[in-house]
Amino acid sequence: DQQVKQNSPSLSVQEGRISILNCDYTNSMFDYFLWYKKYPAEGPTFLISISSIKDKNEDGRFTVFLNKSAKHLSLHIVPSQPGDSAVYFCAASGYTDKLIFGTGTRLQVFP
Amino acid sequence: DAMVIQNPRYQVTQFGKPVTLSCSQTLNHNVMYWYQQKSSQAPKLLFHYYDKDFNNEADTPDNFQSRRPNTSFCFLDIRSPGLGDAAMYLCATSTMTSGRYNEQFFGPGTRLTVL
Repeated sequence: DQQVKQNSPSLSVQEGRISILNCDYTNSMFDYFLWYKKYPAEGPTFLISISSIKDKNEDGRFTVFLNKSAKHLSLHIVPSQPGDSAVYFCAASGYTDKLIFGTGTRLQVFP
Repeated sequence: DAMVIQNPRYQVTQFGKPVTLSCSQTLNHNVMYWYQQKSSQAPKLLFHYYDKDFNNEADTPDNFQSRRPNTSFCFLDIRSPGLGDAAMYLCATSTMTSGRYNEQFFGPGTRLTVL
């Protein structure tokens, strides 16, 4: 049972445009959500997080939105750059629980 | 720079031949994790240590064992690797405060090939 789902395995976006990566979850006990970025041959690196008491968190070009009623979160990258090309993992946890990861979305930003 | 280091980056072993993967950290985090990741799949947690307390996931095969001799080091032992154990193995660390696992920091991974 996949509790964290990233239904789009890949996304292709032109440089300078907005990238929107989506993530859905099923466990209503999740209250902390994270996005990780992974380049080939490297481990995932933490990108941005959001607590369930917020609906938006912004860090430079990266913004995460949380819709608790829909059990949905999204990562917006504006403007997208070629260096953003990577696999993005959504992850979620509840209090005292470990992280549950989605299957990832491969983002390709082309010139 | 504080970091999570995994050695080796690439490991080739034969079917049934024991193999050990290592992980070290300079972050002084009290939690260390081992994940298995296969192509196009989510990282799958095998087990984690909170300090010296070992926590095995229910579906982790007995073939996988772990040791944490001190805060900085953690080892993954695969006693009899099968072809299905070929994967990327990721080590991660985090702190744990007031019962909550905080964001994890990952090493670069070890790619295991089983011949």
